[in-house]
Amino acid sequence: IAGITQAPTSQILAAGRRMTLRCTQDMRHNAMYWYRQDLGLGLRLIHYSNTAGTTGKGEVPDGYSVSRANTDDFPLTLASAVPSQTSVYFCASSDSGLGGDEQFFGPGTRLTVL
Amino acid sequence: GQNIDQPTEMTATEGAIVQINCTYQTSGFNGLFWYQQHAGEAPTFLSYNVLDGLEEKGRFSSFLSRSKGYSYLLLKELQMKDSASYLCAVADSNYQLIWGAGTKLIIKP
Repeated sequence: IAGITQAPTSQILAAGRRMTLRCTQDMRHNAMYWYRQDLGLGLRLIHYSNTAGTTGKGEVPDGYSVSRANTDDFPLTLASAVPSQTSVYFCASSDSGLGGDEQFFGPGTRLTVL
Repeated sequence: GQNIDQPTEMTATEGAIVQINCTYQTSGFNGLFWYQQHAGEAPTFLSYNVLDGLEEKGRFSSFLSRSKGYSYLLLKELQMKDSASYLCAVADSNYQLIWGAGTKLIIKP
């Protein structure tokens, strides 16, 4: 693989179910991010990780959790999905979490919670 | 609060020039980014400004005025493939990106 991948591409989920969105990068980037993108709103940061083993909360962390066991993987878990979590989710990575580093984005996961 | 403002939609003609403005109010400033996002796809990086002035990169240029909290993206010699949304984002004091809602650019032949 080259770059950053996400799985699944799309998913329809019943409310109350648990769901993990997967994200993997092969660029050896230190920093990784999860965003959600909703119509009419800018990308909003859910959680981030500046390096393997550390994570932080973004603007809209409630209802989501992440882990960063290694450099390459950064899964996002919805413990009990609710309809307001219907969105397009993008994973991104950058060389570091500082300065003018470009963020590279995965193709996104379109999630619908019914 | 933190706020990024940019027009919702703009229309331009193929071959012409268009300027997309972005104004911001954030807690700290560590640079301003422009990204392009085609419908149904991921955002891709266009430019980064941290000092005042104009940065030129081919048909695209980006300008920053930190004192005015203002930036613009200038697209020259517009092509149909430039039809996309253009996202402005500011790195705040914690280096987290605050994103505008994006400007949808429609190019007409």
